[in-house]
Amino acid sequence: AQKITQTQPGMFVQEKEAVTLDCTYDTSDPSYGLFWYKQPSSGEMIFLIYQGSYDQQNATEGRYSLNFQKARKSANLVISASQLGDSAMYFCAMREGAGGTSYGKLTFGQGTILTVHP
Amino acid sequence: NAGVTQTPKFRILKIGQSMTLQCTQDMNHNYMYWYRQDPGMGLKLIYYSVGAGITDKGEVPNGYNVSRSTTEDFPLRLELAAPSQTSVYFCASRRTSTDTQYFGPGTRLTVL
Repeated sequence: AQKITQTQPGMFVQEKEAVTLDCTYDTSDPSYGLFWYKQPSSGEMIFLIYQGSYDQQNATEGRYSLNFQKARKSANLVISASQLGDSAMYFCAMREGAGGTSYGKLTFGQGTILTVHP
Repeated sequence: NAGVTQTPKFRILKIGQSMTLQCTQDMNHNYMYWYRQDPGMGLKLIYYSVGAGITDKGEVPNGYNVSRSTTEDFPLRLELAAPSQTSVYFCASRRTSTDTQYFGPGTRLTVL
């Protein structure tokens, strides 16, 4: 079974609007971490946001927020006020187990390509 | 503070050749990782290291070897290159206090 599933191969959004990128995960471990990375066309991997399984509140970083629904095992990324520079591939990733015992290893989803239209 | 650096940026190999992909970080992180990214796909873990002298296999280790003699360096060795190893290779290091991995710019490898 896929550990991380991103069901949207591509998404389109109008500049200045909000967009939600979906991510569902599968684990039986009560301790885990969820990450979102951005990969622009230049190819580098840029860390955006992190949510721990025990965190009570949804993570936020500037225009990025993570809609964490533990019972549904979903960790959707919300980008508010989209900008042209947000056009990129977005990856959801999971660290399964506590940071120490898992050695921080990440499993990635297949990604969602976001295109922001002017 | 350069972060994570990788060399070379691009390389074309012939089938059966060998090469080493270099990775260096200047953040004094103990944890380091090698991933590969096939076209249109997510990253898959090849090898990782929890400190100098300690390495272990990830999800897709076949055809690769690593070593970690210093905290800073984590080279990836390809022996007997095969077309299936055509990919983009990313090295990363992890800041344990925030559990965040920082990635190098990647090496695009083509095996013909």
